[in-house]
Formats: sequence, C-alpha cells, structure tokens
Amino acid sequence: EAQVTQNPRYLITVTGKKLTVTCSQNMNHEYMSWYRQDPGLGLRQIYYSMNVEVTDKGDVPEGYKVSRKEKRNFPLILESPSPNQTSLYFCASRLRLSSYNEQFFGPGTRLTVL
Amino acid sequence: EDKVVQSPLSLVVHEGDTVTLNCSYEVTNFRSLLWYKQEKKAPTFLFMLTSSGIEKKSGRLSSILDKKELFSILNITATQTGDSAVYLCAVEGNTGNQFYFGTGTSLTVIP
Repeated sequence: EAQVTQNPRYLITVTGKKLTVTCSQNMNHEYMSWYRQDPGLGLRQIYYSMNVEVTDKGDVPEGYKVSRKEKRNFPLILESPSPNQTSLYFCASRLRLSSYNEQFFGPGTRLTVL
Repeated sequence: EDKVVQSPLSLVVHEGDTVTLNCSYEVTNFRSLLWYKQEKKAPTFLFMLTSSGIEKKSGRLSSILDKKELFSILNITATQTGDSAVYLCAVEGNTGNQFYFGTGTSLTVIP
C-alpha cells in the first residue's frame, strides 16, 4: 500500500531532551516536507526537501533540523525541544517538484513538550 | 506576505443542505490551489486547480478557481454527516516548493 508513515504517533517529552520523528514514504517521491499544525494557525511548513541531500527552510524552521540521506526517509530532529514546539506534526510527500500533483500526508505525530 | 484566508471559520448545517466554502489568497507566483479534507487525522486530497474558471467535480463536491479575483470556492451539495470535517485550502507558490495553508473551515453536518 502506498503510504507515508511517521513514528512515533504520540510523544510526551521534557524540555531539552533531543528527539527525532521519523518519516518514510514508499512511493519513490522526490519531494518531502514537514508541517506543524496549531489551533488558529493552520498548517505551517517547517522544512522541505526536493531530493536526496537537498533541503530548505519553510516558514517556521527555528528549533528544527532535517536530513535527507535516502530518498524514502526524511526525519525531523528537535535538538533541544521547548514547550512552544508542542504541536501536531505532519510529514508529506509528493512525486516531484515540477509536476502538478498533490501531497500525501502521513498520519501525524502529536508532540507534547513539558 | 503570502497568505491564504478561508471563510467561514465554522459552519453548522443540516443533512441535505448545500454549503459553499471560500478561500482567498495572496501568494507570489501562484502555481496551484488544493483542497483537502481533514477528519481528526491526516488531510486527504480532494482537488487541485491550476487554471482559472475550470470546475473540478467529484460526486457531490465541486470546486472552481478564479485567478483574476484570487479566490476559490468548494461546494458540497446534499450534505451528509460523513462530510463533517475541517476543509483546508492550500496554495502552491513560486516553483512548487512551498505550500501555504489556510486555517480551515470546520463543517458540522447535523442529522
């Protein structure tokens, strides 16, 4: 089944404890992206990647890191999480940048930073 | 500043009603506009519109884009309780590497 998977789905952590949220897609998509969703603010793009080893900042990159060493994986790293990073996070992928096609979203990761 | 604004914020209707959801945008170098449905989980894709005036239709749902006036509408006819969800509008800008989402319209359909 074609899908985007994320792990973990739920995470409660404490301020300053490094964490990684994994994202993987099995559709051979070139483009991958991370969003956070907050009430009243909608979905905001954190980082995106147009292909392996090519990443760029979205609208709200502060406090986050990403890497794209393989085409299928795009982990989101919070080196020192803070309470304002408590949010619902979605990973998404798209076939390629140049074509007109939609993004497919993962199931979401609900992160709470105490 | 690029932005996408959806209205209304929320809507409560009875089954069988017809609803119209609005999305206006100001995005540099518009490329496409997408509608998603979100039911307490990941957004699922509904439509993508790239050309003005073309209506996309799928069953009871339809959408049209007006690139001159910078807005889109999503129509749902003969609403059902299963249509209850948050409907998101997203606009793709620049070279396709960034998406801007509205805050969504929460639709509740009462039996």
